[in-house]
Amino acid sequence: AQKVTQAQTEISVVEKEDVTLDCVYETRDTTYYLFWYKQPPSGELVFLIRRNSFDEQNEISGRYSWNFQKSTSSFNFTITASQVVDSAVYFCALDTFTSASKIIFGSGTRLSIRP
Amino acid sequence: DVKVTQSSRYLVKRTGEKVFLECVQDMDHENMFWYRQDPGLGLRLIYFSYDVKMKEKGDIPEGYSVSREKKERFSLILESASTNQTSMYLCASSPDGTGSLGRELFFGEGSRLTVL
Repeated sequence: AQKVTQAQTEISVVEKEDVTLDCVYETRDTTYYLFWYKQPPSGELVFLIRRNSFDEQNEISGRYSWNFQKSTSSFNFTITASQVVDSAVYFCALDTFTSASKIIFGSGTRLSIRP
Repeated sequence: DVKVTQSSRYLVKRTGEKVFLECVQDMDHENMFWYRQDPGLGLRLIYFSYDVKMKEKGDIPEGYSVSREKKERFSLILESASTNQTSMYLCASSPDGTGSLGRELFFGEGSRLTVL
């Protein structure tokens, strides 16, 4: 079965705190891609990052970092020194050959950053 | 600036009405998708299309149909709207043909449909 689980429904932190959004996935495919998307209040999902299953190197982009661990089937997203503009719903997603073009999304985590 | 445009941000319809949701992309993408977004359920795929006049069912196609007569346009049709179709509908597109992995999706701003 192909599945993405985002167990954290809502997170609220004070500005400048660090916050980690969890993503756990399930697939039997050996080749797959993982994504994170951000949905601000305007509604339009915006692509943040893509990772393939053969590249476990962590990535950092400014205040954002991603930790991909195949051993625990996780692809967690950390925001360092959070800002109010980071408030959004964040989705983790999985793309595999087995899912045949049907990219699987998690249920999303609503992140609120309080000033 | 590349764009996916959905025709209506907000719609209110009555039970039994026929509803058309239009989506246009200007990126010459092969693939187009319709998702439904509900709280706690994330995004669920209704239908997708990887070429003109081609369509494939997603995970929740019941009660919906689609049309893709031109590459840039993908329409979602609710033949007879029901209250359980009240939701946010998101259109997306991606490059490359079917079978390609790792495609980034480009989303529209969504259409929030309320069925009374």
